[in-house]
Amino acid sequence: QLQLQESGPGLVKPSETLSLTCTVSGGSITSSDYYWGWIRQPPGGGPEWIGNIHQSGTTYYNPSLKSRVAISVDTPRNQFSLRLSSVTAADTAVYYCTRRRAYSAYRDYWGQGTLVTVSS
Amino acid sequence: QSALTQPASVSGSPGQSITISCTGTSSDVGAYNYVSWYQQHPGKAPKLMIYDVSNRPSGISNRFSGSKSGNTASLTISGLQAEDEADYYCSSYTSSSTWVFGGGTKLTVL
Repeated sequence: QLQLQESGPGLVKPSETLSLTCTVSGGSITSSDYYWGWIRQPPGGGPEWIGNIHQSGTTYYNPSLKSRVAISVDTPRNQFSLRLSSVTAADTAVYYCTRRRAYSAYRDYWGQGTLVTVSS
Repeated sequence: QSALTQPASVSGSPGQSITISCTGTSSDVGAYNYVSWYQQHPGKAPKLMIYDVSNRPSGISNRFSGSKSGNTASLTISGLQAEDEADYYCSSYTSSSTWVFGGGTKLTVL
């Protein structure tokens, strides 16, 4: 059974960079059949798509975050990562890593989510 | 990109049916049959319930169904059960090659 697990600091200071890692188990991140991505959900709000990456390295980002976001893949470790720079309180959210099948538009696997709070 | 519009809350009694609407534009919901619905219980990750407007993943009860007309998609839950009480979110692919979500609907089973 595929499992995704987010890890990283739960508290980030304003103007610093948020860094999260998603470890994939029960399946290979190198499969060309899937895209791996990040979605965040602010407290009490709806989800927001952040971006996706394919094992080939191709990335797709939300235009509203594109200037601050980078998603990368670490195939030997079967992990992918999110970096979000110049964070503010508006970036406080639960961050989920997800899987999307290629040529589909839905996320079939989600991590349990990790709360990241931006505060000094 | 604006979020899709959902009612903030709906309610129903056990055994009844409810429908949750999700209104977008001709650039997202109306443009593609790529609407999906997710169920989220408190403190849990979203769970895929419907994909591509009306398809159910393996293991999802046939009490859950989806449809679309124009720029509005709908999720219907029939034979309401206590465990259906949760937040529900719709999502759509967009003509900008991005994804947009709804603000969520809280379902209360009376």
